[in-house]
Amino acid sequence: EVQLVQSGAEVKKPGESLKISCKGSGYSFTSYWIGWVRQMPGKGLEWMGIIYPGDSDTRYSPSFQGQVTISADKSISTAYLQWSSLKASDTAMYYCARQRGPSGHYYYMDVWGKGTTVTVSS
Amino acid sequence: QSALTQPPSASGSPGQSVTISCTGTSSDVGGYNYVSWYQQHPGKAPKLMIYEVSKRPSGVPDRFSGSKSGNTASLTVSGLQAEDEADYYCSSYAGSKGVFGGGTKLTVL
Repeated sequence: EVQLVQSGAEVKKPGESLKISCKGSGYSFTSYWIGWVRQMPGKGLEWMGIIYPGDSDTRYSPSFQGQVTISADKSISTAYLQWSSLKASDTAMYYCARQRGPSGHYYYMDVWGKGTTVTVSS
Repeated sequence: QSALTQPPSASGSPGQSVTISCTGTSSDVGGYNYVSWYQQHPGKAPKLMIYEVSKRPSGVPDRFSGSKSGNTASLTVSGLQAEDEADYYCSSYAGSKGVFGGGTKLTVL
């Protein structure tokens, strides 16, 4: 079964760092782009960026460039999303998903993780 | 403000059909045949329902169909069932990134 398993919920204080994970299984992890999608409380979906685990080629939405870092460790089929200094406005659900489309072009996301809730509060 | 515009709500009775629109520009919806639709039940992850405008992934009922005309894409749900009540998001290729609509809450009356 193709699946993406995300790390558990996090509660952090403003200014703290955080790295959440997304582990793929059931398919060739290095052959598909992995994307991250933010959903703020009660709001819609926002495409954040993608990574190709095969060579770590990474692309960001202009809205998230410089705000987060996307990385991957292909040896353990895991992608990451990290923050160096969290803000209250980072409070959201974060989904990883397998993105389809050549060369990182977004066509659609066919497999989704269950999401990781990140709460940032003093 | 979302890149793609969807009505905030839609509704229909069981057995009826309902259509949800998704309006973009020539730089996204109108420029490419890479529109997708996602269903999201409360507290759950999104699920791909339609890709490349009108294709259905394996396991998605044929009650769900997609189309596009100009800068507007549409998702039609025929023979509405109670389990179709959910949020629906459209999405499109937009050059270097993906963009989503603001979502439509579908209520089955």
